[in-house]
Amino acid sequence: DIQMTQSPSFLSASVGDRVTINCKASQNINKYLDWYQQKLGEAPKLLIYNTNSLHTGIPSRFSGSGSGTDFTLTISSLQPEDVATYFCLQHNSGWTFGGGTKLELK
Amino acid sequence: QVTLKESGPGMLQPSKTLSLTCSFSGFSLSTSGMVVSWIRQPSGKSLEWLAAIDWDGDKYYNPSLKSRLTVSKDTSNTQVFLKITSVDIADTATYYCARSRSSYIYGWFAYWGQGTLVTVSS
Repeated sequence: DIQMTQSPSFLSASVGDRVTINCKASQNINKYLDWYQQKLGEAPKLLIYNTNSLHTGIPSRFSGSGSGTDFTLTISSLQPEDVATYFCLQHNSGWTFGGGTKLELK
Repeated sequence: QVTLKESGPGMLQPSKTLSLTCSFSGFSLSTSGMVVSWIRQPSGKSLEWLAAIDWDGDKYYNPSLKSRLTVSKDTSNTQVFLKITSVDIADTATYYCARSRSSYIYGWFAYWGQGTLVTVSS
C-alpha cells in the first residue's frame, strides 16, 4: 500500500504570505497527486489534480508542483478565505489521502 | 449539473451492519471511465478511501477493510450502495460518496456529496 505523509500538520500565516504544504509518497506515484481544500463543516473541494492542473474555478494563487514521491501545494498570496484544512490524495494505485494540514491566519 | 447525496441511518449499534446509499444525478455510471467511491472521515481526522465501483461493475476495496465492505449499484445506474458489517465505535464518521472519471480507473474526485454522519453507539 502507498502511504502519504503530509507536512506540516498545522500552519499559521498572515494575509499575503506565500504558503507551501508538502506531501511525500512512500513510493513513486508519477504525476497522480491531487490537492483538496476542506472548510469547516463542508465536503472536500478539488483544487489541483495530477500534480499541477488547476481545477475549474480555482483561483490562480493556488499551484502545485512535484513528481515521483515529493509534491508541493503553494498559495502565492494567502487570502482570508483560504483558511481551511488541505489534503493531498494519490491515485496512482488505489487512493490514499495524506494526514491533512490545518491552515490558520496569524 | 453533477450532484451526489449520501443517506444512512444516522445512528446504529455496535456489531450491526451499516447500509449507506449514494444517490446521484447529472451523469450515468454506465459511461466509460465513471467511478463512484465511498470515503469516510472521523471528526477532526483525515479522509479514508473505502471502496469504489466502476462503470463496468468492477469493485475496488481498501485492503485493510475489505472483509467488511460490500459496494454495489442499482440497475438504473443512479445509486451506489455500501454495506459495512460488524461496525464498532471506530466506524463513527462522516461518510462521503464522490465521483471520479479516468481512463485507467483511479482518478481525481471532482464531485463530492455533502456527507452523512454515522454514529456507532450502544
